[in-house]
Amino acid sequence: QVHLQESGPGLVRPSETLSLTCTVSGDSVRSDYWSWIRQPPGKGLELIVYMYYSGDTIYNPSLKSRVTISVDSSKNQFSLKLTSVTAADTAMYYCARLGGNDLHNWFDPWGQGTLVTVSS
Amino acid sequence: DIQMTQSPSSLSASVGDRVTITCRASQNIGYYVNWYRQIPGKAPTLLIYSASSLQSGVPSRFRGSGYGTEFTLTISSLQPEDFASYYCQHTSSTLHAFGQGTKLEI
Repeated sequence: QVHLQESGPGLVRPSETLSLTCTVSGDSVRSDYWSWIRQPPGKGLELIVYMYYSGDTIYNPSLKSRVTISVDSSKNQFSLKLTSVTAADTAMYYCARLGGNDLHNWFDPWGQGTLVTVSS
Repeated sequence: DIQMTQSPSSLSASVGDRVTITCRASQNIGYYVNWYRQIPGKAPTLLIYSASSLQSGVPSRFRGSGYGTEFTLTISSLQPEDFASYYCQHTSSTLHAFGQGTKLEI
């Protein structure tokens, strides 16, 4: 069974960089696409970015200039960095596998999420 | 960009009711739609993929249908754990946008 677990600071100061890591078990980060999705309190889901191990990466255009995603196959992890954060970046951050078949794909499974608050 | 619009944004129902949630795409997306349920305080989980395929382990009371621009998620007999938020999501283009969500309340 595939399991994803987010980790990282729960509090980030404005203008600093948010850094999160997702540890994958039961699957290899060398297969499928791996993604970050966020959800501001009381709001809906927003795709941030997803990437394949080979480097193929798709960004949400509204966040692209501030986002970096990377994969560490030796630790079976992938990571997110979001620079110059503001209060608007306060959200629950989820990692998820973008899997599927040759025709379709979908986000499954998801990590439990980690709440990141941007505040001084 | 393809926009996904869900309706209603909120819905009240009772245990045992049948409910339908609609998702409309801003352009033809074939059957590239998935549905997720998010129980309060939990991460979303996949219910339906490719518009109508039931994810393994998901109860058969969930049914997805539609093609093109209009899609529906029907829950045939609501259970207590179904009082949650539901999201549609398209994968027709590289930016896999979500609908704004439907909150199903008792």
